Amino acid sequence: DGGITQSPKYLFRKEGQNVTLSCEQNLNHDAMYWYRQDPGQGLRLIYYSQIVNDFQKGDIAEGYSVSREKKESFPLTVTSAQKNPTAFYLCASSRSTGKSPYEQYFGPGTRLTVT
Amino acid sequence: GQNIDQPTEMTATEGAIVQINCTYQTSGFNGLFWYQQHAGEAPTFLSYNVLDGLEEKGRFSSFLSRSKGYSYLLLKELQMKDSASYLCAVRVGLTGGFKTIFGAGTRLFVKA
Repeated sequence: DGGITQSPKYLFRKEGQNVTLSCEQNLNHDAMYWYRQDPGQGLRLIYYSQIVNDFQKGDIAEGYSVSREKKESFPLTVTSAQKNPTAFYLCASSRSTGKSPYEQYFGPGTRLTVT
Repeated sequence: GQNIDQPTEMTATEGAIVQINCTYQTSGFNGLFWYQQHAGEAPTFLSYNVLDGLEEKGRFSSFLSRSKGYSYLLLKELQMKDSASYLCAVRVGLTGGFKTIFGAGTRLFVKA
């Protein structure tokens, strides 16, 4: 079955600790994205990657880091510099070439709670 | 700047028709998407418009007017399972690639 997976579904961390959220896809998509969703604010783009070994900052990249060493994987690290890390994190992927519409396929999300 | 507006909440009755509006101000427009998101779950793709006009897909239709920066999602024969948030999203072209900007979503409540 093709899809996009994120683990774990729920994650709890103490303030001051870095934490890495995993995202894996087997859809052969070139583009991958990380979003953060807070109540009433929709999805905000943290980082995105159009191709392996390349990524760009989104609208709220401060306090986050990513890597894209493999096409299938796009892990997100939430660092201790992120002032308000508690949120629902969604990873997505899409095609970026060929016939549109280039819709995004989302993973099930990771709900991170930092206390 | 880039901005997408949609109503925060709507309520409709089972079996009825509901229209969810979306207005956008963006540069580098490259298509408009509608996604459905049930509470606590991931968004799923519903529809896509890149040219003006109506796209129909079963009980769901989506309309786009690029000159007005306006879209709507029309849901017919509402069912209780349609209670969800509906996200309007615009794909924009940037130097070196594309990104998608999401609206805050419209939470739809379907009542019996």
